[in-house]
Amino acid sequence: QKEVEQNSGPLSVPEGAIASLNCTYSDRGSQSFFWYRQYSGKSPELIMSIYSNGDKEDGRFTAQLNKASQYVSLLIRDSQPSDSATYLCAAFKAAGNKLTFGGGTRVLVKP
Amino acid sequence: DAGITQSPRHKVTETGTPVTLRCHQTENHRYMYWYRQDPGHGLRLIHYSYGVKDTDKGEVSDGYSVSRSKTEDFLLTLESATSSQTSVYFCAISDPGSGSSGNTIYFGEGSWLTVV
Repeated sequence: QKEVEQNSGPLSVPEGAIASLNCTYSDRGSQSFFWYRQYSGKSPELIMSIYSNGDKEDGRFTAQLNKASQYVSLLIRDSQPSDSATYLCAAFKAAGNKLTFGGGTRVLVKP
Repeated sequence: DAGITQSPRHKVTETGTPVTLRCHQTENHRYMYWYRQDPGHGLRLIHYSYGVKDTDKGEVSDGYSVSRSKTEDFLLTLESATSSQTSVYFCAISDPGSGSSGNTIYFGEGSWLTVV
């Protein structure tokens, strides 16, 4: 079992709709979680992080964390074609200050 | 811009040759990392450094070595390149997190390596 798992997609979403991305993790020692966006041929760029149970909103993005269920999600509201990318979920552990990544979910926003 | 420069950005090399990738940072970050990214595997940690001359292995370290003789430079060496090491290599930096929040890891632009 991978430490961080994501559905590879593609997740096809109509423009203007909400895209919902899910991520599960196996290590209960993971302390915080990060969402990165990666366009084809580019490096990952940070969207947001979350470390407390509940929701965290930043613009059109909302991250949700449920540590009891070991589940992290990312909602993208009012999806735009420019949101078409691969979204990477990552779990942080203080030992080594390391991030462990899931395989990513490819999102396609159709006009 | 996290001030990270990777070189070379693209390289084609032959099997069995040594290859060194360089990561240079300008902002005095303590931690530096080398990841590789492959289809179906996502980003996997090769090695990381938590200070000058302080390095440790990641999950896919076999066939790779690293060195950090200065804060700003972290080198990844493939002693004898193999076709399985064809990949995109990302350098990343961060600083120690505070408490349980962790600290953000920022990535360089990547180095595309092809071993033929």
